[in-house]
Amino acid sequence: AQSVTQLGSHVSVSEGALVLLRCNYSSSVPPYLFWYVQYPNQGLQLLLKYTSAATLVKGINGFEAEFKKSETSFHLTKPSAHMSDAAEYFCAVYQSGGSYIPTFGRGTSLIVHP
Amino acid sequence: EAQVTQNPRYLITVTGKKLTVTCSQNMNHEYMSWYRQDPGLGLRQIYYSMNVEVTDKGDVPEGYKVSRKEKRNFPLILELPSPNQTSLYFCASSSKTTGVVFFGQGTRLTVV
Repeated sequence: AQSVTQLGSHVSVSEGALVLLRCNYSSSVPPYLFWYVQYPNQGLQLLLKYTSAATLVKGINGFEAEFKKSETSFHLTKPSAHMSDAAEYFCAVYQSGGSYIPTFGRGTSLIVHP
Repeated sequence: EAQVTQNPRYLITVTGKKLTVTCSQNMNHEYMSWYRQDPGLGLRQIYYSMNVEVTDKGDVPEGYKVSRKEKRNFPLILELPSPNQTSLYFCASSSKTTGVVFFGQGTRLTVV
């Protein structure tokens, strides 16, 4: 079985501040992990993915995430927030050899203040 | 361009009037899914399909039907829409080799 927990339904930061969005997963086998972003009035799009090649994964728009097996975490970070980063962010886990259907977290809304 | 296309983008209908939301993907993906998105509840999977003529219930299938007669199409059918089905709906497709999900732009459905 696989599941994803995103801590915090809303995260508020000032422009230029560090962004940290938390994601913890459970999986019975080594997982594939993803972060998706949903800008207002749009569908979700892939931000980055972890597939075991490297524990630190770089994505689009300056975001990165680090896979920590000991903590079963895959937190998303960005050193300096921009106003354009305001969006909904979803963590997802996909279990190779399982149902091949990813499980999504409930999402975290990132609010960026000027 | 790789894409998932769903129509219509916006729909207002009345209780009990059957409707269909179409979804088509051009990436030859094996897997297709329907999700609904509601405030505070995130994405909830309605139905999914792992191949042609193979469909299965997701987390919230009640009141919905799907079919997968062709690989590229996966329509969502509401035979007797009710107000609690007012939501934002997303169609998605993915490859079993990468797991990356491609989403449509969404259909905002209002049932009055």
